[in-house]
Amino acid sequence: DAKTTQPPSMDCAEGRAANLPCNHSTISGNEYVYWYRQIHSQGPQYIIHGLKNNETNEMASLIITEDRKSSTLILPHATLRDTAVYYCIVRVAVSGANSKLTFGKGITLSVRP
Amino acid sequence: GAVVSQHPSRVICKSGTSVKIECRSLDFQATTMFWYRQFPKKSLMLMATSNEGSKATYEQGVEKDKFLINHASLTLSTLTVTSAHPEDSSFYICSASGGGEQYFGPGTRLTVT
Repeated sequence: DAKTTQPPSMDCAEGRAANLPCNHSTISGNEYVYWYRQIHSQGPQYIIHGLKNNETNEMASLIITEDRKSSTLILPHATLRDTAVYYCIVRVAVSGANSKLTFGKGITLSVRP
Repeated sequence: GAVVSQHPSRVICKSGTSVKIECRSLDFQATTMFWYRQFPKKSLMLMATSNEGSKATYEQGVEKDKFLINHASLTLSTLTVTSAHPEDSSFYICSASGGGEQYFGPGTRLTVT
């Protein structure tokens, strides 16, 4: 069963911010929100994760709503190389076999020149 | 982030033969490794989880006698597709975890003719 829902696709202009939404209304209190992306014919790449506070790193920002039922991944200045499928995933444990990731369909982001 | 390699990146084999795919963690010790399969325009599907020195745990519907997984060391896991058939043609991706985050390999494109 899908634990997250994402729109199938979106596009944005190069240089503009890309805001990718994700709904996870059934998230449990001990589940983290993770974002990965997959560029065509490559393995997924970790982007960012968070529990309840907003997070920022060199790639992106993650905004999690106060009720934790949804989140938004923000790429502040999208480039053509950010065109990829972005996966929003929730999971509990961090280590061991329980840390397996369940991928949904993701959202295809197309960055246009 | 940590580096995970896969070899080969592409392989073509004849129906009925076996193919071995290697997954290596290059700069950390991977206590857990995961194997995924991805068909064209589909999401990643987890096949199995392996802990170093233990038998792999297979997901429902994945034949353990067909997809042999060995995780003999903390830096190497192998997936052997035995008696491959054209329907086994897919993109196989491994990921590795040293107790923290999961890092993905670049994937192996298997084509069975």
